[in-house]
Amino acid sequence: DQQVKQNSPSLSVQEGRISILNCDYTNSMFDYFLWYKKYPAEGPTFLISISSIKDKNEDGRFTVFLNKSAKHLSLHIVPSQPGDSAVYFCAASVPSGTYKYIFGTGTRLKVLA
Amino acid sequence: KAGVTQTPRYLIKTRGQQVTLSCSPISGHRSVSWYQQTPGQGLQFLFEYFSETQRNKGNFPGRFSGRQFSNSRSEMNVSTLELGDSALYLCASSLNAGTDEQYFGPGTRLTVT
Repeated sequence: DQQVKQNSPSLSVQEGRISILNCDYTNSMFDYFLWYKKYPAEGPTFLISISSIKDKNEDGRFTVFLNKSAKHLSLHIVPSQPGDSAVYFCAASVPSGTYKYIFGTGTRLKVLA
Repeated sequence: KAGVTQTPRYLIKTRGQQVTLSCSPISGHRSVSWYQQTPGQGLQFLFEYFSETQRNKGNFPGRFSGRQFSNSRSEMNVSTLELGDSALYLCASSLNAGTDEQYFGPGTRLTVT
């Protein structure tokens, strides 16, 4: 049972345009969400996070939007750059003291020059 | 500051054998989590250790075990290896248990033949 889903395994975007990566979750108890980026042969690196009390968090070219009623979050990258080509994972945090992270299956983003 | 290191980086084992993977967290970090990454399954949480104690465990069989030492270094052991255990095993460290940002190592690529 995949509690965090990234339904698009891959996405191609032209350089300079907006990249939108989507993530859906099923557990309404999730209270913290994160995005990680992963290059080949490297571990994932933290990108941006958002608490369930917010609906938007921005960091430079990266913005994460959270729609709690739809149990949906998205990562916007504007403008997209070739160096953004990587696999992006969304993750959700389970509260009540356990703080384990549940990751989605990832979306491979390819930014075309 | 040195990042998270994992050894070995690559490993080939045969079915039925056992394997031990090692993770050294960032200096000062006390929490270590382990994840398994397989194609199509994303990162699946194995367990988290903090101050030598297992705080949380994912849905993996008892063949998967771990421990943490007083210097926060952690080891993960898999006994009676199965072909399906072939995966990238990632270790992540954070300052304290439950801290939002986890720093990942490059992973150990385990192949079971």
